[in-house]
Amino acid sequence: GNSVTQMEGPVTLSEEAFLTINCTYTATGYPSLFWYVQYPGEGLQLLLKATKADDKGSNKGFEATYRKETTSFHLEKGSVQVSDSAVYFCALISGGTSYGKLTFGQGTILTVHP
Amino acid sequence: GAGVSQSPSNKVTEKGKDVELRCDPISGHTALYWYRQSLGQGLEFLIYFQGNSAPDKSGLPSDRFSAERTGGSVSTLTIQRTQQEDSAVYLCASSPQGGGGRDGYTFGSGTRLTVV
Repeated sequence: GNSVTQMEGPVTLSEEAFLTINCTYTATGYPSLFWYVQYPGEGLQLLLKATKADDKGSNKGFEATYRKETTSFHLEKGSVQVSDSAVYFCALISGGTSYGKLTFGQGTILTVHP
Repeated sequence: GAGVSQSPSNKVTEKGKDVELRCDPISGHTALYWYRQSLGQGLEFLIYFQGNSAPDKSGLPSDRFSAERTGGSVSTLTIQRTQQEDSAVYLCASSPQGGGGRDGYTFGSGTRLTVV
């Protein structure tokens, strides 16, 4: 079956530090890959996505590249801000005949200090 | 509407009571999903509706859980005889296509259910 494994947190960084949150997956077919973010007290928001190998998703300074050879979709940001403190979820929708059920990783809590 | 709307935002109920949670998806979205977010359990798929097709109920944890979607729009998740382990945030999401939601889902803010 499909699965997503995320780097366990929590992750604590100082402002302007470089961020990497690792994500690897197992899926049938050719999945679409997503990062969702959940800010404190808010619902899940789509941060970025990539639908095929070598695609790079980007938004708000965050980037992730779909690496089929390593089945990975690591999230990166060159300089984090306090406002980036949130829970980050890696997720996939499997290709093939799957209708599109999102499978999530466990989530990584990021805290950025001034 | 502009987004996925869920109600109530918070619900406290006594163990053994029934509860109904409501989701109003984005207008025109054909696919609707329910997930549960429990502390330490991550995000758990519950049920999926697509148009007039039979829903995929494979994620419902027990027969105390049921859901319906009327007129292809509003959905209600019902939990009968609630137990303390049902305490969680129940999230609803919709997407504009049933072929996979490959543009991602839009999530509501969730209903926080507490069973005391």
